[in-house]
Amino acid sequence: QQQVKQSPQSLIVQKGGISIINCAYENTAFDYFPWYQQFPGKGPALLIAIRPDVSEKKEGRFTISFNKSAKQFSLHIMDSQPGDSATYFCAAPGVTTDSWGKLQFGAGTQVVVTP
Amino acid sequence: SAVISQKPSRDICQRGTSLTIQCQVDSQVTMMFWYRQQPGQSLTLIATANQGSEATYESGFVIDKFPISRPNLTFSTLTVSNMSPEDSSIYLCSGWGGKSYEQYFGPGTRLTVT
Repeated sequence: QQQVKQSPQSLIVQKGGISIINCAYENTAFDYFPWYQQFPGKGPALLIAIRPDVSEKKEGRFTISFNKSAKQFSLHIMDSQPGDSATYFCAAPGVTTDSWGKLQFGAGTQVVVTP
Repeated sequence: SAVISQKPSRDICQRGTSLTIQCQVDSQVTMMFWYRQQPGQSLTLIATANQGSEATYESGFVIDKFPISRPNLTFSTLTVSNMSPEDSSIYLCSGWGGKSYEQYFGPGTRLTVT
């Protein structure tokens, strides 16, 4: 079963600062790496995802960087805002072709942005 | 993107009873999944809900405890049977279209077993 290691467990950043969350995976049958954002009492919401035909994807203040050889990918939140305070999960597909659609999630990172 | 709703949003149940959670997607999806999330923890995949056939369960989850139905491409149910306090958790369903890889989640059902 795929293991996805996510760090740090928690993060406190000042408003306007940069939040960086890292994930590492073992192997995948498919190349697709999403990040989810979850607010208390809500379901996870797809934030941004990358298919590694590129090494970086940017959407607004959120950027995914991907290093295929190292099997690592990271989320950068630029100009962090108090509204970004949430738990962030990385995910990776399963390791076999019969795991089509299945995702294994990292442990999550609780981000707190202080005013 | 798909919009997913779940019923009930929360419930408090007694030990030994069963609860059925409903999941509705606003468009047809190729696959539907059920996850469990302990408060403050990550998501753990319970099973894949297969349309017209038996669900596929992950290691540690069995059909007798978590029977799942998926009668069509937009609806699924998860039953938590013979509940114990250890089943207290958030149960989430998700839908996956199959083409874009994107997977969307419902708001979750918060279950407390007393």
